[in-house]
Amino acid sequence: GQQLNQSPQSMFIQEGEDVSMNCTSSSIFNTWLWYKQDPGEGPVLLIALYKAGELTSNGRLTAQFGITRKDSFLNISASIPSDVGIYFCAGQRLNYGGATNKLIFGTGTLLAVQP
Amino acid sequence: KAGVTQTPRYLIKTRGQQVTLSCSPISGHRSVSWYQQTPGQGLQFLFEYFSETQRNKGNFPGRFSGRQFSNSRSEMNVSTLELGDSALYLCASSWRDRVYEQFFGPGTRLTVL
Repeated sequence: GQQLNQSPQSMFIQEGEDVSMNCTSSSIFNTWLWYKQDPGEGPVLLIALYKAGELTSNGRLTAQFGITRKDSFLNISASIPSDVGIYFCAGQRLNYGGATNKLIFGTGTLLAVQP
Repeated sequence: KAGVTQTPRYLIKTRGQQVTLSCSPISGHRSVSWYQQTPGQGLQFLFEYFSETQRNKGNFPGRFSGRQFSNSRSEMNVSTLELGDSALYLCASSWRDRVYEQFFGPGTRLTVL
């Protein structure tokens, strides 16, 4: 199946540290989304990006839509234990043959935060 | 506002059986998409419905099917289950098509023995 390249695969950090992760694709996307998934639950939407170059924040989270439209970045500042989980990027392409909500997901970044 | 609900949360079936999973979108949402999540393949798009019409379909065999009702609730069906169908099946809703903020339910964990 199709997946976006997401790195790093996992991160083990101390509480209070900043975190950066990114997602890349060989194709252009019109929208980038970032989700967080806790064990046994569905992904929760964190940030949505709609324009190339756009920088959007949600509390301690900041995400950017890459200028080339082929990548996106997520930063978490001053991490806390509840930031633990798997973070996924997701891209969406305009379907010129018709409307679609299909998302293509990244491979995920597992974040562990030690108190 | 209540979130996306999925039933059942857990299901155990044997090979060859069929299964039906249900999804109730957020009130007012008319678009429902289904995804399969496995450790090996990650999150993969199954299909998408809007106003009872299938808008898009992922690269899955015909054993996977779905439908959407007039109240926007959706079901997906998997026939002739195989071991590889064991996965977390996630439903996501948004208020209409081409609106990219999709909200996910907790998923149905299907185990095929």
